[in-house]
Amino acid sequence: SQTIHQWPATLVQPVGSPLSLECTVEGTSNPNLYWYRQAAGRGLQLLFYSVGIGQISSEVPQNLSASRPQDRQFILSSKKLLLSDSGFYLCAWMGGNGNNEQFFGPGTRLTVL
Amino acid sequence: AQTVTQSQPEMSVQEAETVTLSCTYDTSESDYYLFWYKQPPSRQMILVIRQEAYKQQNATENRFSVNFQKAAKSFSLKISDSQLGDAAMYFCAYKSNYQLIWGAGTKLIIKP
Repeated sequence: SQTIHQWPATLVQPVGSPLSLECTVEGTSNPNLYWYRQAAGRGLQLLFYSVGIGQISSEVPQNLSASRPQDRQFILSSKKLLLSDSGFYLCAWMGGNGNNEQFFGPGTRLTVL
Repeated sequence: AQTVTQSQPEMSVQEAETVTLSCTYDTSESDYYLFWYKQPPSRQMILVIRQEAYKQQNATENRFSVNFQKAAKSFSLKISDSQLGDAAMYFCAYKSNYQLIWGAGTKLIIKP
């Protein structure tokens, strides 16, 4: 069966510090991968998605970047965090099995102080 | 561009009663997928139910069912015999190419 992992679960970082959030998927190959941000009590904002290694599509211009160094690994990064980067970050994958739904990781709660 | 609208920011229902959450969407496509996701206080996103637009029959998963009206572009979620564990944010989503287009969510409160 497929599983998706995200870490860390919680992160507190000072303004101006770098960021690296990691997401890995097990039990599937060549998944589509997604990074979302969610503000408290709000909906999901798609940040990046990837349909293959090295292929990244950005949905929102921002202080963040994403990379996919391996088939089942998706990394969200920043060189210098802003206060506005605080939020809940969710990674998701979607396979080519015809069901078309996305499956989500447990999320990372990021607080920038 | 496709859009998804959830017009109810918050709904409440008495335990064991039935509640319906509304979702409308806008698209020019004829074949697509629609989803309802649940996000409990743990914030884990959980798929509740899926509907394929070419299927006439409304999807059902135990106490959860949808009322899919393709012509009206409406996709409501009915929860029967509401339980305390149903308390969560509920999001409606439309699949467009590689992405899901998300509604703003409805917070469901269950009154004991």
